[in-house]
Amino acid sequence: QVQLQESGPGLVKPSQTLSLTCTISGGSITSGDYHWSWIRQPPGKGLEWIGYIYFSGSTYYNPSLESRITISSDTSKNQFSLKLSSVTAADTAVYYCARVSSSSWVFFDYWSQGTRVTVSS
Amino acid sequence: DIQMTQSPSSLSASVRDRVTITCRASQSVSSYLNWYQQKPGKAPKLLIYAASSLQSGVPSRFSGSGSGTDFTLTISSLQPEDFATYYCQQSNRTPYTFGQGTKLEIK
Repeated sequence: QVQLQESGPGLVKPSQTLSLTCTISGGSITSGDYHWSWIRQPPGKGLEWIGYIYFSGSTYYNPSLESRITISSDTSKNQFSLKLSSVTAADTAVYYCARVSSSSWVFFDYWSQGTRVTVSS
Repeated sequence: DIQMTQSPSSLSASVRDRVTITCRASQSVSSYLNWYQQKPGKAPKLLIYAASSLQSGVPSRFSGSGSGTDFTLTISSLQPEDFATYYCQQSNRTPYTFGQGTKLEIK
């Protein structure tokens, strides 16, 4: 059973960089059938896909956030990470990491529990 | 970006009712359409992928249909645990996008 767990600060000051790490258990980040995504949900709002990383290290980011995002991976730790720079209050959200099944059809099949990040001074 | 529009935004129904939620894409997504259920304080849960394929472990009262731009999620007989918010999501093109959600409430 695949499990995903985020870690990182729950409070970030405006203009600083939000950093989160997702640790994968029960599966390998190097599996070619999947890629690994970040998704966020502002309070009381819908879901926004942030970006993904593939086991090869290739990435794709949502153009709406691309200038501020870096997604990276550490295969030795079976982890992938999100950095979002120059944050504002609009970046306050619950952040999820998720596995994306991509062998034929593409869907988010495993999600983390979510971590709330608040941007405030 | 492909815009996903769900209707209705909210819905009141009773246990054992049959409920249908619709999702429309701003351009064709073929069958790259998924449905998720989210309960308060929890992560979304995959229900349906590829428009009509039931995810393992999901009750058979859930079903999906459609292709191209118009899709539906049907719950054949509502159970108390089904009251939640439902999201459609397209995976035909990046950036992947979600509908705004449909909140299903108890009447």
